Amino acid sequence: DAKTTQPTSMDCAEGRAANLPCNHSTISGNEYVYWYRQIHSQGPQYIIHGLKNNETNEMASLIITEDRKSSTLILPHATLRDTAVYYCIVTRSTGTASKLTFGTGTRLQVTL
Amino acid sequence: EAGVVQSPRYKIIEKKQPVAFWCNPISGHNTLYWYLQNLGQGPELLIRYENEEAVDDSQLPKDRFSAERLKGVDSTLKIQPAELGDSAVYLCASSSGTGGADTQYFGPGTRLTVL
Repeated sequence: DAKTTQPTSMDCAEGRAANLPCNHSTISGNEYVYWYRQIHSQGPQYIIHGLKNNETNEMASLIITEDRKSSTLILPHATLRDTAVYYCIVTRSTGTASKLTFGTGTRLQVTL
Repeated sequence: EAGVVQSPRYKIIEKKQPVAFWCNPISGHNTLYWYLQNLGQGPELLIRYENEEAVDDSQLPKDRFSAERLKGVDSTLKIQPAELGDSAVYLCASSSGTGGADTQYFGPGTRLTVL
């Protein structure tokens, strides 16, 4: 699976959009981009995933560049509860399962 | 819809003692995963089940760790005997196993402290 590169940490003011970048320059055509987050003392929480097209759900938007070598997770109106470690993972399904290889993620701190 | 359930949430034991963790996946999910998360690091896969079969256990330290998923639903992860270095969070996840983008959903984890 392709490796990802994320900034170690980011800050965002409450109410503003949080834009979390991820580089995955070695991504293959059949690999998905997944985003999870982990709030302190909780298990990882699925946020969103995409293959080629941009995606949006109730939590966030995922913007994938045309060459698929990078992506951005957007939290449109960050709140204090969005403070967490955000993991960008590139993976492909092996028929009946996916393999998630977690890096160290981006620690997002949302402040007043 | 209920999420992945794990118990206990916290466990403190002395070294050389046995310990077991239990996981109940999301209803209908055929694939179940156990992960280990050390402090300050991302989760690492220990074992993956498809129904009752362990299809990827290459990262499971088999000298002291064991796992089972007898009826293809609940699963138990056991450590015997526990060592100081086993102190970590043990996470369970499940997915539908239907191919394509197979999203994994995680439980809250069991935090193990070995004294």
